[in-house]
Amino acid sequence: DAKTTQPNSMESNEEEPVHLPCNHSTISGTDYIHWYRQLPSQGPEYVIHGLTSNVNNRMASLAIAEDRKSSTLILHRATLRDAAVYYCILRDVGNQFYFGTGTSLTVIP
Amino acid sequence: DGGITQSPKYLFRKEGQNVTLSCEQNLNHDAMYWYRQDPGQGLRLIYYSQIVNDFQKGDIAEGYSVSREKKESFPLTVTSAQKNPTAFYLCASTRQGLNTGELFFGEGSRLTVL
Repeated sequence: DAKTTQPNSMESNEEEPVHLPCNHSTISGTDYIHWYRQLPSQGPEYVIHGLTSNVNNRMASLAIAEDRKSSTLILHRATLRDAAVYYCILRDVGNQFYFGTGTSLTVIP
Repeated sequence: DGGITQSPKYLFRKEGQNVTLSCEQNLNHDAMYWYRQDPGQGLRLIYYSQIVNDFQKGDIAEGYSVSREKKESFPLTVTSAQKNPTAFYLCASTRQGLNTGELFFGEGSRLTVL
């Protein structure tokens, strides 16, 4: 069973914020939440990760629910270069990374 | 610059042949992984290794083999026993430890069986 579930696809207008949701209802207390994105025919690229608190970096923000059963990746101003498949992943104590099927983000000019 | 190098980028194979995909990293990472990706799908774990001379099967290990003789290298052999080997293969690495950051990926190797 997939440890994370995400919508298959989402659309956003350029220059607008994007909120990409992820459900991980079976997350354990020590699992870290990671987000990656992948362009066609390339390896995934790290975006952000967190455990309990919300996180910000130059690429995005990660909002984690208080019960940790869901999280949201926030792109503050979508650009055409943000069009990609976004994966929400759990990393466990055994260094295992559990990938779902991801969300394909389309950015509309 | 540090990173992960996969080769070859494209590979064609006849049915019944074994083929080895190379993965080298100069990041001094202990843990290395092989994933398979089919068109429009997510990543599925084939094998992983947390330390030299040790590796474990992932979810879809049948028809694949690996070795980890050096920390920097984690080659994947796609054997003739793999029934549907045409796919995009991704190698990744990370440091050990719970909060040691991200998984670094190579650029991938695309295998086509003719």
